[in-house]
Amino acid sequence: GDSVTQTEGLVTLTKGLPVMLNCTYQTTYSPFLFWYVQHLNEAPKLLLKSSTDNKRTEHQGFYATLHKSSSSFHLQKSSVQLSDSALYFCALTPANSGTYQRFGTGTKLQVVP
Amino acid sequence: DPKIIQKPKYLVAVTGSEKILICEQYLGHNAMYWYRQSAKKPLEFMFSYSYQKLMDNQTASSRFQPQSSKKNHLDLQITALKPDDSATYFCASSQDLGGSQNTLYFGAGTRLSVL
Repeated sequence: GDSVTQTEGLVTLTKGLPVMLNCTYQTTYSPFLFWYVQHLNEAPKLLLKSSTDNKRTEHQGFYATLHKSSSSFHLQKSSVQLSDSALYFCALTPANSGTYQRFGTGTKLQVVP
Repeated sequence: DPKIIQKPKYLVAVTGSEKILICEQYLGHNAMYWYRQSAKKPLEFMFSYSYQKLMDNQTASSRFQPQSSKKNHLDLQITALKPDDSATYFCASSQDLGGSQNTLYFGAGTRLSVL
C-alpha cells in the first residue's frame, strides 16, 4: 500500500548548522509529496510540496527535491535557526487514488544555541 | 481570523460518555477531513469527505461517526469514550481531493482527555 517513512524521530542540531530530514515513500501511482511543519501547540501547516521529478522546491529557506528514482523527498536547510525547532511531517498523496494524505511518523527538530 | 474553526479547544470527558467535536471551514473548500494526533500515532487519518460524501474511512471503530450537515461543516461524534481516545483531533480541508489540490489546511485542534 501507499506509505511514507521518516527514519529519524529526533534530530538535535546546533544553530547555524545544515539539516537534512529524510523522507521516502512507497506508491504505485504518480506521487504528490508534501512537507508540513508543526510548532509546539499549533496546527500543522504546509511548508512545501512537489510532484515534479528532479526539480528543487523552496520555501522559507527550506528546500526539497523529489527523486522518483529513489522514492525520496528529503527536506534540507543550509543553516537552521532556533525558530526552526518543530515537528516536521512528510506526506504523500498518490495520484489517481488520493482520497487522503498519508503522513510519516514525523521528525522532531530541536535546534540548540 | 482562523479559516477553520474547531470547537471546543479543550474537552474533558468521562469513560463511556459521548461527545461531539465541531468543525467549520470558511476557505470554500470541497473536501474535509478528520485526523487524530497522539503520542502513539503522530498524525493518523480518520475520515475524508468530498461534497458532503464520505470518501474514505480508516477508523476501525464505529464509535467514531462523522456528520456533515453542510458542505463546509464536518462534525465528529464519538460514543462510548475510552481513555485510549485521548488525543488531539484535527479537522482539515483542501480545495479538492487528490493531487496538487490536496494541500491540507488544519484547524487548531480539539484536545480531548478521557478520564
